[in-house]
Amino acid sequence: ILNVEQSPQSLHVQEGDSTNFTCSFPSSNFYALHWYRWETAKSPEALFVMTLNGDEKKKGRISATLNTKEGYSYLYIKGSQPEDSATYLCAFSAGNMLTFGGGTRLMVKP
Amino acid sequence: GAVVSQHPSWVICKSGTSVKIECRSLDFQATTMFWYRQFPKQSLMLMATSNEGSKATYEQGVEKDKFLINHASLTLSTLTVTSAHPEDSSFYICSATEDSYEQYFGPGTRLTVT
Repeated sequence: ILNVEQSPQSLHVQEGDSTNFTCSFPSSNFYALHWYRWETAKSPEALFVMTLNGDEKKKGRISATLNTKEGYSYLYIKGSQPEDSATYLCAFSAGNMLTFGGGTRLMVKP
Repeated sequence: GAVVSQHPSWVICKSGTSVKIECRSLDFQATTMFWYRQFPKQSLMLMATSNEGSKATYEQGVEKDKFLINHASLTLSTLTVTSAHPEDSSFYICSATEDSYEQYFGPGTRLTVT
């Protein structure tokens, strides 16, 4: 059984704060690490797919880093806005199957 | 692009009845579709993987006779929960991929069995 863990489970920040959360995953048989943003009543939206150790990806105020040797990825949000409120999921793949973490629920207060 | 729809978004059924959930890729051909299930406060758990025109591959512990999956075309997969019981109440969500690399998700279906 693959163990993918995310921390923290939930996070409350003020508008304008920068924040980050962690995804840890098995370091063996690594193929890709996915980050998704999931708003209530909507489809999970793909943010990043990362495959190479040391990868850094950025999309607007959101960025992510990847360390496959030690099995972790960080997601950073700079200057959080209320519209960033969502659950952020990471998923590990050793092929075309995804194993999800439990998610980090982010709430940004105006 | 890469939109996946799911229908219905919410369904209540009586114990013993069957419920069919549809997953469609709207603007791409999905070679593979996946079905996930999420219990409250838990992760998305993969139930099965289906490729167009072939039998689905079920994860360990998922009853294939209870959760019937049909992937008859490159844009449609269905999940039928047969003889549903209250313990089948859950959130079911599908995803689709055309290149086995990135998965695009539907919005999910909330099933409540009374």
